[in-house]
Amino acid sequence: TQLLEQSPQFLSIQEGENLTVYCNSSSVFSSLQWYRQEPGEGPVLLVTVVTGGEVKKLKRLTFQFGDARKDSSLHITAAQPGDTGLYLCAGDMRFGAGTRLTVKP
Amino acid sequence: NAGVTQTPKFQVLKTGQSMTLQCAQDMNHNSMYWYRQDPGMGLRLIYYSASEGTTDKGEVPNGYNVSRLNKREFSLRLESAAPSQTSVYFCASSQHPLGRSGEQFFGPGTRLTVL
Repeated sequence: TQLLEQSPQFLSIQEGENLTVYCNSSSVFSSLQWYRQEPGEGPVLLVTVVTGGEVKKLKRLTFQFGDARKDSSLHITAAQPGDTGLYLCAGDMRFGAGTRLTVKP
Repeated sequence: NAGVTQTPKFQVLKTGQSMTLQCAQDMNHNSMYWYRQDPGMGLRLIYYSASEGTTDKGEVPNGYNVSRLNKREFSLRLESAAPSQTSVYFCASSQHPLGRSGEQFFGPGTRLTVL
């Protein structure tokens, strides 16, 4: 059983569409991280959220930490092919299984 | 700066063989980690070293040993490889033991196949 459940597992969309992926847990985390991983490479940190209810924006990416610090979401506006990759959430050295995003031109 | 480097990039072993995966970081980080990544399961922590001279078990330590050789280097050893250890292994480092910030920097991975 994954401590961190990510959904959806796979997502395939057209360029220009918006999307949201989720990271849920029954545990409270002091912080959650979002990473992006491309094939054949290690994960690369996108953001860390620390405070319950916190919203962080990174260009077209918006990250939200739930009020109870048990869940988080990642919203991408106007997705581009360069956003294609595996998106992982992590907390306390535990990782979710990831959402594999494909953005078609 | 190279960041986190891992060797080898690929390795094929026969059941029962031993090998050591090497990891080094040049960011003067205090903490280092070994993960394995399997399809559909995300990354799972094998061992970590919060600081030089200390090591602790993670979620899946059985069949592995580690050595924190110095502040820069953290190696992972498989004494008697099994097919269940076929995986991609990632080394990571962080400035401080994971807590409030939680930020880790990852190497490119070692792809290990055990026949």
